[in-house]
Amino acid sequence: GNSVTQMEGPVTLSEEAFLTINCTYTATGYPSLFWYVQYPGEGLQLLLKATKADDKGSNKGFEATYRKETTSFHLEKGSVQVSDSAVYFCALKEGNKLVFGAGTILRVKS
Amino acid sequence: NAGVTQTPKFQVLKTGQSMTLQCAQDMNHEYMSWYRQDPGMGLRLIHYSVGAGITDQGEVPNGYNVSRSTTEDFPLRLLSAAPSQTSVYFCASSYGRLAGELETQYFGPGTRLLVL
Repeated sequence: GNSVTQMEGPVTLSEEAFLTINCTYTATGYPSLFWYVQYPGEGLQLLLKATKADDKGSNKGFEATYRKETTSFHLEKGSVQVSDSAVYFCALKEGNKLVFGAGTILRVKS
Repeated sequence: NAGVTQTPKFQVLKTGQSMTLQCAQDMNHEYMSWYRQDPGMGLRLIHYSVGAGITDQGEVPNGYNVSRSTTEDFPLRLLSAAPSQTSVYFCASSYGRLAGELETQYFGPGTRLLVL
């Protein structure tokens, strides 16, 4: 089956630092790709998505580009804030289901 | 709209006990699903439903039952709880399973279950 691999955390950054969270996938074909965010004590929320190769998803200053050559969908943000501290999940669509990565904890210090 | 609601928020069970985790949504969503979240393993799909009267198994269905008698409700039943079922359980819903709909899933706040 399809799978998603994320970089292990936690990732600890100072405020205004540049963020990259790596995500690679294994899949048949070119599935839609997503990033979800989970703030402390809450359920997951869709952060951004890309439905085909070379698409760039963006939201709240976060960006990710669908790279079929490297089967990757890395999440980036130019300047993180303390409020970005959360768990970030990469996911792909497989049929009528979503397959999630293990999640990456991000901690941003002021 | 209340969105997706889950009860209880926290539950402690003894091995062998049964219980039902409740999930309800008021958005008239066709698609509903249950995930469990374990450290280092992300979210794993337990069961899902594409509409009232229709359910299917996900990645980790053993030990869990579901039913979908109404569009709004999708309860998850543990028939005989085991320590391996200690986890955080999330219910989610979305408009449908067609392209462009499934991915915008709305998640509930979760139920934390401890099985002793």
